[in-house]
Amino acid sequence: DTAVSQTPKYLVTQMGNDKSIKCEQNLGHDTMYWYKQDSKKFLKIMFSYNNKELIINETVPNRFSPKSPDKAHLNLHINSLELGDSAVYFCASSLTSGSSYEQYFGPGTRLTVT
Amino acid sequence: DAKTTQPNSMESNEEEPVHLPCNHSTISGTDYIHWYRQLPSQGPEYVIHGLTSNVNNRMASLAIAEDRKSSTLILHRATLRDAAVYYCILRVGNSGGYQKVTFGTGTKLQVIP
Repeated sequence: DTAVSQTPKYLVTQMGNDKSIKCEQNLGHDTMYWYKQDSKKFLKIMFSYNNKELIINETVPNRFSPKSPDKAHLNLHINSLELGDSAVYFCASSLTSGSSYEQYFGPGTRLTVT
Repeated sequence: DAKTTQPNSMESNEEEPVHLPCNHSTISGTDYIHWYRQLPSQGPEYVIHGLTSNVNNRMASLAIAEDRKSSTLILHRATLRDAAVYYCILRVGNSGGYQKVTFGTGTKLQVIP
């Protein structure tokens, strides 16, 4: 009964390749997020979707393209991978009604670009 | 974004209370104070949040200063499972629920058996 799941858990690939990371939540939330945590452990938001609509788009290279086919899924596609893309990517979700707005995070996808 | 300042690391003995401080001197009136923690090799986990009043839940207590420029997360009895990085975050309260939250460097809590 995993709340927020990500696949794959580990991804090792070479520079220049294109890869995707998938995220699914079964919490009935209407907002989903992608975060990047680098080697120094800084956690930075990349994108946020509300009801399949992009609402937060931080300064991220356009090689990164999120796609939300429905409210329960938010996938991240990365073109022309670079060494600096190596990081742990976390998906999260939240509900925009109520007062808590707590975010639920997935287990992360560790991307290594060689 | 309003910033928060936390000590880089703290230590606690097992089964003793832990007080994790956070300064947020530039907080605005509508900012909520959220705490998350990240256990090793896991995603962040929500702990607690508050606006003005102190808050308690099953995981922890949150004590908010009267001027709201600082807050303290209180773990009443630290266990080894509480060893994690604790993040104090400000969430803009009038953001329509679209939370753009900024994680700082957090406090790495070490629990000593």
